[in-house]
Amino acid sequence: SQKIEQNSEALNIQEGKTATLTCNYTNYSPAYLQWYRQDPGRGPVFLLLIRENEKEKRKERLKVTFDTTLKQSLFHITASQPADSATYLCARLNNAGNMLTFGGGTRLMVKP
Amino acid sequence: EAGVAQSPRYKIIEKRQSVAFWCNPISGHATLYWYQQILGQGPKLLIQFQNNGVVDDSQLPKDRFSAERLKGVDSTLKIQPAKLEDSAVYLCASSMRRGADTQYFGPGTRLTVL
Repeated sequence: SQKIEQNSEALNIQEGKTATLTCNYTNYSPAYLQWYRQDPGRGPVFLLLIRENEKEKRKERLKVTFDTTLKQSLFHITASQPADSATYLCARLNNAGNMLTFGGGTRLMVKP
Repeated sequence: EAGVAQSPRYKIIEKRQSVAFWCNPISGHATLYWYQQILGQGPKLLIQFQNNGVVDDSQLPKDRFSAERLKGVDSTLKIQPAKLEDSAVYLCASSMRRGADTQYFGPGTRLTVL
């Protein structure tokens, strides 16, 4: 089965530091991975997509990497702010290319 | 641009009762998804529509769950009868196309089954 796993423990960091969240997958490498942000009481919001042939993708303070050898994606938020506090979800595309499977999400808490 | 609309936002029912959720996707989006998100977990896909046809419903508990998208726009998800383990947030999402496209999520309906 195609599993995707995120650290279920909350990540607590100090404002200004870099937050790094991990997403690990099993079996074959998906064509791409997506990262979403979810705030309490709201639906997920798309942040970034990284393709299998891309090592790194950036958007403002966000950076995502994709390591097909380690079967892992890392999500970085530089110069973190309390407003970055949320749950971050990664998702992989299935083999047929028509369905996303989400990880359990990692809650990030940025303290002022 | 209006986002994905869902109603109701909250629903409390007793087990064995029926419940229905409504979703209006972003205008022009051909693909519509229903997800179930249990507290502390990621969203789990229940059913996916392409226009008014079902693309995938392999994870939909068909003995109690049903969904339709009759005119290829709005969609309803029904649970009949509800069980305690159905307590979750039901999220609707839409995208312009299947697969690679970004999905846009609604705010969800929080269901509590007592």
